[in-house]
Amino acid sequence: AQSVTQLGSHVSVSEGALVLLRCNYSSSVPPYLFWYVQYPNQGLQLLLKYTSAATLVKGINGFEAEFKKSETSFHLTKPSAHMSDAAEYFCAAISGGYNKLIFGAGTRLAVHP
Amino acid sequence: DVKVTQSSRYLVKRTGEKVFLECVQDMDHENMFWYRQDPGLGLRLIYFSYDVKMKEKGDIPEGYSVSREKKERFSLILESASTNQTSMYLCASSHTDRGTGELFFGEGSRLTVL
Repeated sequence: AQSVTQLGSHVSVSEGALVLLRCNYSSSVPPYLFWYVQYPNQGLQLLLKYTSAATLVKGINGFEAEFKKSETSFHLTKPSAHMSDAAEYFCAAISGGYNKLIFGAGTRLAVHP
Repeated sequence: DVKVTQSSRYLVKRTGEKVFLECVQDMDHENMFWYRQDPGLGLRLIYFSYDVKMKEKGDIPEGYSVSREKKERFSLILESASTNQTSMYLCASSHTDRGTGELFFGEGSRLTVL
């Protein structure tokens, strides 16, 4: 069965520092992987997705993620954190038909001055 | 602008009450989903629907039911609310095409059961 694991429930970085949020998946078939962001008191919105094309995927707001099959990882990065990046981030994978997604537990990113 | 609208942002109910959470989407999406969000657990799928009057159980369906009488509307029903159903509930919708994977989410309904 498909599963998604996010390492680190809380990550804190300084403004301008590198952001690295970790995600590992388990799957017996090529996965479709996603990162979603949730700002306070809002629903989730799609940051980026991997669908078996390029392994380096660029998303909105300067985020990108690299699919590494050998490591079963799909880590999210941003070279320079901004205060507005403070949010909760969820890694997800398609599980079964109808675009059902399973989600990781989430990582809350704090950005301090 | 695409939109998924959840009727209530905040609800407070008493144990044993029947609770309806309504969700409407304006994108003509075939699929609609109800997730529950709890700290440290991420989002867990309660039920989903892939067509009008069609529904399937997700990972945590116990204590919940759903209704989809029209394509744009998907309702989550708690027949007899319990305190362990206090949570954030998120509705989402998507097209059927596999692999797009983009779910469009509503802003959530935070339910407190006393």
